[in-house]
Amino acid sequence: KAGVTQTPRYLIKTRGQQVTLSCSPISGHRSVSWYQQTPGQGLQFLFEYFSETQRNKGNFPGRFSGRQFSNSRSEMNVSTLELGDSALYLCASSLYRGSTDTQYFGPGTRLTVL
Amino acid sequence: KNQVEQSPQSLIILEGKNCTLQCNYTVSPFSNLRWYKQDTGRGPVSLTIMTFSENTKSNGRYTATLDADTKQSSLHITASQLSDSASYICVVSAVAGGTSYGKLTFGQGTILTVHP
Repeated sequence: KAGVTQTPRYLIKTRGQQVTLSCSPISGHRSVSWYQQTPGQGLQFLFEYFSETQRNKGNFPGRFSGRQFSNSRSEMNVSTLELGDSALYLCASSLYRGSTDTQYFGPGTRLTVL
Repeated sequence: KNQVEQSPQSLIILEGKNCTLQCNYTVSPFSNLRWYKQDTGRGPVSLTIMTFSENTKSNGRYTATLDADTKQSSLHITASQLSDSASYICVVSAVAGGTSYGKLTFGQGTILTVHP
């Protein structure tokens, strides 16, 4: 069974631009979560989607948004990029939304904002 | 404020030795605690998930313990291997209603280096 895939793997943008990241969960998984990882802040929860609806949201500004499609694939969008948005963006999928359900992470998208 | 603190920040051990990583949390109401292993340049991989009622869980050479009273968890690695070199992250989930993952609070991680 294929794992979680994220595209693109690497991205370079300039301040003020916007970016869209994509995540394809493991086949059959319905829950997708997004995380930001930086050396200074570590891993931070962005949001969780289940059945095309955002179920949880972390403490990030409205510039960060996402959506989930009917096939469970998810996209994350960041508008008006800032230098501080440079990070590794990780996507994780799980079968359901159970609190003890194992999450499987993708390899991440490395975003660099110049 | 929900917090997760891990210690030590980094650890160097020799191959074959055992080690223990610590995680203290102040997350409430507690739902579950997870340990992840993250290799450089890769996404985290789940090692264990423990709920309030579980105090020990093993995954091969990895054994996690949870003391919900003192709000402490540890990850014990037995007979370390070079491939154990990675960052180990403790994540605590607070209950947020229903079957939700709830709010996740992440520790900063412990960087483990295993030398031959």
